[in-house]
Amino acid sequence: GEDVEQSLFLSVREGDSSVINCTYTDSSSTYLYWYKQEPGAGLQLLTYIFSNMDMKQDQRLTVLLNKKDKHLSLRIADTQTGDSAIYFCASGGDSSYKLIFGSGTRLLVRP
Amino acid sequence: ETGVTQTPRHLVMGMTNKKSLKCEQHLGHNAMYWYKQSAKKPLELMFVYSLEERVENNSVPSRFSPECPNSSHLFLHLHTLQPEDSALYLCASSQASGGGNTGELFFGEGSRLTVL
Repeated sequence: GEDVEQSLFLSVREGDSSVINCTYTDSSSTYLYWYKQEPGAGLQLLTYIFSNMDMKQDQRLTVLLNKKDKHLSLRIADTQTGDSAIYFCASGGDSSYKLIFGSGTRLLVRP
Repeated sequence: ETGVTQTPRHLVMGMTNKKSLKCEQHLGHNAMYWYKQSAKKPLELMFVYSLEERVENNSVPSRFSPECPNSSHLFLHLHTLQPEDSALYLCASSQASGGGNTGELFFGEGSRLTVL
């Protein structure tokens, strides 16, 4: 079946940039998403990118999409301790209702 | 209340118990979902309801039984569960039809289930 893969863990120093990477297999994905999950909470949509775009910027967040390589990245500029959370990449957005999620990348921001 | 609310937030049950998880969405969406989140595993889609009809059932054991009485409410009935069913169960909703739909899911906070 279709798959989404992410590295499990990333540690950065406060103020540095964080880059979280994701690869996916479903070439028919209409949208690619980044969700954030804080401890004890559900997933919250951070941002998404339409599959015919290669970049989207939203304040401190930059999403890059390489559709040829099926590679998605999320860059967080000036990372803060409040950014510590699990970040999930997901593909989908077509008519099947189904988003395919990765296992999540745990981001730890050190003071 | 706004967004997607789930109750209870925590549930401990024995293997012979019967319990239910409840989800309510206040967003006017027409699709609702149950996901299972286990440690270090991808989110597993369990069930999808669109316009109150089940449209997806991903080989989930029959000890999990969903119910969608209307577009705002979703239940997951649990009976004779196993310890490996212990997980965070997440409900989500979306507007799953119509042009311009981005497929975005709105999640509840989850129900943490422990099966003893």
